Amino acid sequence: DAGITQSPRHKVTETGTPVTLRCHQTENHRYMYWYRQDPGHGLRLIHYSYGVKDTDKGEVSDGYSVSRSKTEDFLLTLESATSSQTSVYFCAISAGYGYTFGSGTRLTVV
Amino acid sequence: GESVGLHLPTLSVQEGDNSIINCAYSNSASDYFIWYKQESGKGPQFIIDIRSNMDKRQGQRVTVLLNKTVKHLSLQIAATQPGDSAVYFCAEGGTGNEKLTFGTGTRLTIIP
Repeated sequence: DAGITQSPRHKVTETGTPVTLRCHQTENHRYMYWYRQDPGHGLRLIHYSYGVKDTDKGEVSDGYSVSRSKTEDFLLTLESATSSQTSVYFCAISAGYGYTFGSGTRLTVV
Repeated sequence: GESVGLHLPTLSVQEGDNSIINCAYSNSASDYFIWYKQESGKGPQFIIDIRSNMDKRQGQRVTVLLNKTVKHLSLQIAATQPGDSAVYFCAEGGTGNEKLTFGTGTRLTIIP
């Protein structure tokens, strides 16, 4: 999607390892979000940010941390990955009308 | 409409026909509503939005209807095309649009 990039697109990791997913935007938007998407649950908010170094928890924040040291980058870290964190992760920016989403990161924890 | 189980509600429509996808939202204080389309392997894409001071809004081949009395939102797609096959989500939020809550989605399949 224009202006928002997620990396990596796919990752397989082992249980207990730390994992960091990156979201990069080029449009200088203040609000950024991390969601996970699982069958039957739709999109659930993990964490969001309303500015550099300003972040807050969403509904499923346990086991995740985030950092935003620059406007353009919002990092999501799984401190010690578990199989329940196998999911598709989407980053989003608030673009004036709803959100613009990245293409997602498919994470598999084995 | 909304799903409470592991399986998405599904809707199959003949190509060229109209389709209606429904959503029951949860928060009576929500005043901003959006429909998203998600194709396989991609992120959700904005289709159309509506604010609570409106009952209806039209876009290109799409119409969103809002019934605040029963907290119901619908998306009408006219003259469906194969490219309309996707999962459709509704989302609700407040005035500031800082946090949206998403429904679980409906899978629309267009039959050629």
